[in-house]
Amino acid sequence: EADIYQTPRYLVIGTGKKITLECSQTMGHDKMYWYQQDPGMELHLIHYSYGVNSTEKGDLSSESTVSRIRTEHFPLTLESARPSHTSQYLCASRTGHGYTFGSGTRLTVV
Amino acid sequence: KQEVTQIPAALSVPEGENLVLNCSFTDSAIYNLQWFRQDPGKGLTSLLLIQSSQREQTSGRLNASLDKSSGRSTLYIAASQPGDSATYLCNNDMRFGAGTRLTVKP
Repeated sequence: EADIYQTPRYLVIGTGKKITLECSQTMGHDKMYWYQQDPGMELHLIHYSYGVNSTEKGDLSSESTVSRIRTEHFPLTLESARPSHTSQYLCASRTGHGYTFGSGTRLTVV
Repeated sequence: KQEVTQIPAALSVPEGENLVLNCSFTDSAIYNLQWFRQDPGKGLTSLLLIQSSQREQTSGRLNASLDKSSGRSTLYIAASQPGDSATYLCNNDMRFGAGTRLTVKP
């Protein structure tokens, strides 16, 4: 059973809409990450956080933003969705025992 | 910036064969080396984690080794089964390889 919870699992939304992808963990982990993955392609790091009020941009230029107001919550927001944002978004936490991933959110922007 | 490379990109084998997947990384100052399995459209499932001070880990038919000096890790799968068909990814620090897509034919 996953200890990282991502909602929604699937989302179809129109161009220009603002959306927030939710990610929560119950393990009290400080380090959390967002990755973007197109079908059959590699994972790209888009944002990460090392704790409350700490957020950093990753390798992939992204029009998304994140916040970390509480340890357990790391939401990802797109202010104005575009078809190019269509992808799978994976949230994860990490400790010395490695990464734990959520099931992902598959986003389609029409 | 850490770069992670996986070879081969795809591999197809008959059931029962032993196989090796390769992962190389550019920065030898690793945190941990972790191997994952990903089924189509799904998230990542952790298979094995090798701490930076370790050389290998085993779980069932899987064995992962780590050679920090050469910047390489291998995942060995013994007696492959059709249920092993998936994409296998390795991770070092915050970066992932592109994966090896494994198909095991009955």
